Amino acid sequence: EVQLVESGGGLVQPGGSLKVSCAASGFTFSSYDMNWVRQAPGKGLEWISHIGGAGRTKYYAGSVGGRFTISRDNAKNSVYLQMNSLRAEDTAVYYCARLYSSSSGRALDMWGQGTMVTVSS
Amino acid sequence: EIVLTQSPGTLSLSPGDRATLSCRASQSVSSTYLDWYQQKPGQAPRLLIYGASRRATGTPDRFSGSGSGTDFTLTISRLEPEDFAVYYCQQYGSSPFTFGPGTKVDIK
Repeated sequence: EVQLVESGGGLVQPGGSLKVSCAASGFTFSSYDMNWVRQAPGKGLEWISHIGGAGRTKYYAGSVGGRFTISRDNAKNSVYLQMNSLRAEDTAVYYCARLYSSSSGRALDMWGQGTMVTVSS
Repeated sequence: EIVLTQSPGTLSLSPGDRATLSCRASQSVSSTYLDWYQQKPGQAPRLLIYGASRRATGTPDRFSGSGSGTDFTLTISRLEPEDFAVYYCQQYGSSPFTFGPGTKVDIK
């Protein structure tokens, strides 16, 4: 079965750090770019980071640049998001998503179920 | 940064109605890189339309996408009960790969 499973969410104090993970299965992981998208409670979707299949190309949203780091381990079929200097406004469900890419378009065609990160004292 | 604006914020319709959702970009987006997602409460988003007009696997043909440049539209020809949800557009043409704020389609 093709799936993405996030883990590692939880409660963290402001200024703290947390690393969330996403385990992929059912497809050739290294052939796909991966993304993290978050959703604050009751709010819309916010794209936050992209990593290329080989791990060399990385992009970040301005709201997390310099604080969050995306990485991947193709041997473990996993993508990670290291989050430092966390703020209350980082409280959200964090989704990982696979990027489908072809001459016809690029889109997030597969999503995990999300992991909740709460930043609070 | 490309800002996407979606309208209306909420669309109140009845099953069987036609729904027309708009996504407007602050600068031109290649139609290849404009996508639409559906999200239901408590669920992850689901890809509906990619490349502005191409239905993703499993997307019913009552969903159609159109548009170019800065103006894009998602149309649901006849609303089914399972279509009441929030719909987001996203551009994947240039980083940051922004989402619109969403349009909620609810039951009138």
